[in-house]
Amino acid sequence: QQQVKQSPQSLIVQKGGISIINCAYENTAFDYFPWYQQFPGKGPALLIAIRPDVSEKKEGRFTISFNKSAKQFSLHIMDSQPGDSATYFCAAGYGYKLSFGAGTTVTVRA
Amino acid sequence: DAGITQSPRHKVTETGTPVTLRCHQTENHRYMYWYRQDPGHGLRLIHYSYGVKDTDKGEVSDGYSVSRSKTEDFLLTLESATSSQTSVYFCATRTGDSNYGYTFGSGTRLTVV
Repeated sequence: QQQVKQSPQSLIVQKGGISIINCAYENTAFDYFPWYQQFPGKGPALLIAIRPDVSEKKEGRFTISFNKSAKQFSLHIMDSQPGDSATYFCAAGYGYKLSFGAGTTVTVRA
Repeated sequence: DAGITQSPRHKVTETGTPVTLRCHQTENHRYMYWYRQDPGHGLRLIHYSYGVKDTDKGEVSDGYSVSRSKTEDFLLTLESATSSQTSVYFCATRTGDSNYGYTFGSGTRLTVV
């Protein structure tokens, strides 16, 4: 049973467009919400993360929005570039464990 | 990935044989994890370690065992490989502080025929 539900499974966006990936969770014990980026043949790499006491965090073209009451969080990729084409995973953690969403494959068309 | 080495990178094995995957880290991180990655499931935790000889089960631990005799090495053993264990296996580490920033290895692609 997936503790973190992620959607969509895949998306295609034009260069310069906005990519939006959504995640939802049930366990209110989660206190850390990172996003990972994975390129083919590589391991996931930490992209950006947020704690539940913050509603938004921005790093460059990547923004996390967090809605604690709805138990939802999302990743926005602004001005999407072909180099952003990758699989993105949301995750939620507490203690020493992280639970991952199923992943979203993003394709940016030039 | 520079501080984590997984071996082998690829392996094909027969059903019923034991298989051991190795994760080696040079960062002296306390916590180490084994995940498997399958389409539609993301990454699922198999086992983790919070110190030498200290390990615990994750959500998909059946058919797997682990050992950690040194800080730098975390071994994952498939006791009797089955086709359902065909997957990409990732090792990850993190420091012992409150930072959840895991570092992942490059993965081992295992095929059980």
